[in-house]
Amino acid sequence: QQPVQSPQAVILREGEDAVINCSSSKALYSVHWYRQKHGEAPVFLMILLKGGEQKGHDKISASFNEKKQQSSLYLTASQLSYSGTYFCGSRKTGANSKLTFGKGITLSVRP
Amino acid sequence: EAGVVQSPRYKIIEKKQPVAFWCNPISGHNTLYWYLQNLGQGPELLIRYENEEAVDDSQLPKDRFSAERLKGVDSTLKIQPAELGDSAVYLCASSATGELFFGEGSRLTVL
Repeated sequence: QQPVQSPQAVILREGEDAVINCSSSKALYSVHWYRQKHGEAPVFLMILLKGGEQKGHDKISASFNEKKQQSSLYLTASQLSYSGTYFCGSRKTGANSKLTFGKGITLSVRP
Repeated sequence: EAGVVQSPRYKIIEKKQPVAFWCNPISGHNTLYWYLQNLGQGPELLIRYENEEAVDDSQLPKDRFSAERLKGVDSTLKIQPAELGDSAVYLCASSATGELFFGEGSRLTVL
């Protein structure tokens, strides 16, 4: 079942913060986050495994609330390079189970 | 290290014609995926391979789509005959430890 992402689109100015969400109605093993720029391949950002861990990568971090089956991606002090479409992907069971992607959220950072 | 290589990058064909896409994964990656991505949507899994075995092909329209991964390395995705609705980007990805590395995709236009 496809995870649901929200909001649908985000527009912000350079330096502002943003939070985008990913939720599922099914129990999850892991959540992936990818960013895709127009005309390019999706690029891996991070994986979160069940256990409620939070990860960080530069000024982008994410959390995974296992009880709520929800993951959030936090972009702090956004840069122009953060613009793109953010996809979350979810796995229900195990590291090699099917990875299902959400529809994506378009994030635009303006000067 | 070379990334996932796909060819052709672009293909324009008339409906009912056959088309084939090729993917060379990252060396040592046992898992290979073919995803379909429509404009404004997230990638949708078509087929997943573990080495040369297709472990998940439930979303592959088998009446017209076929795939193979000979010797567990390169893979080919074929559509015969193509329909107008097959116009999309076909993404190949490979994985070793969970995160997916995507190729740049093959954009198919069916006229």
